[in-house]
Amino acid sequence: AQSVTQPDIHITVSEGASLELRCNYSYGATPYLFWYVQSPGQGLQLLLKYFSGDTLVQGIKGFEAEFKRSQSSFNLRKPSVHWSDAAEYFCAVAAGNDYKLSFGAGTTVTVRA
Amino acid sequence: GAVVSQHPSWVICKSGTSVKIECRSLDFQATTMFWYRQFPKQSLMLMATSNEGSKATYEQGVEKDKFLINHASLTLSTLTVTSAHPEDSSFYICSARVPNQPGQGGRRSNQPQHFGDGTRLSIL
Repeated sequence: AQSVTQPDIHITVSEGASLELRCNYSYGATPYLFWYVQSPGQGLQLLLKYFSGDTLVQGIKGFEAEFKRSQSSFNLRKPSVHWSDAAEYFCAVAAGNDYKLSFGAGTTVTVRA
Repeated sequence: GAVVSQHPSWVICKSGTSVKIECRSLDFQATTMFWYRQFPKQSLMLMATSNEGSKATYEQGVEKDKFLINHASLTLSTLTVTSAHPEDSSFYICSARVPNQPGQGGRRSNQPQHFGDGTRLSIL
């Protein structure tokens, strides 16, 4: 069965600084990988996805992620964070023909002024 | 595109009542929808997969008779929490997947899930 690990429960970053969120996955075949963001009391918004091809994926809001098969990782990055980036971030992997998503535990990002 | 609407966004009700939550795909037809439950400060847990015109597939440990799912049309799935009790209080989120595009045939879909804004359910 597939699984996702997000090692960092909480990250605090200064506004304007860079951000990197870690994600490691476990899946026997080629994974479909996603990053979602959730603001308090809201649903999930898709930031970006990886299916195949270029391992560096560009998403919305200035985020990017790099798929590294050798490390089973799909880390999310943003060069310069804004206060509005404070939220919960979830990495997810889709597997199987029924396309079920398995989510990581999430990383809470706090942005300080 | 690919907007999913969930209603209501917040509901408070007495213990023992049943609550229905609707999930609609507004600009696409969704043959498959998913229902998740999220506890405070935790990740999403898949409850069931809802397939249009057939019975839902429940994850292990989810009570089918407690959480009734109906996917009557290609744009609507409902989750009914029957005889709700305080322990059913949670944040429920649905998602819908855009179906395979023409020509994809039986290949695994590369379409992501799109999520509703969630329903905060509080049982008193």
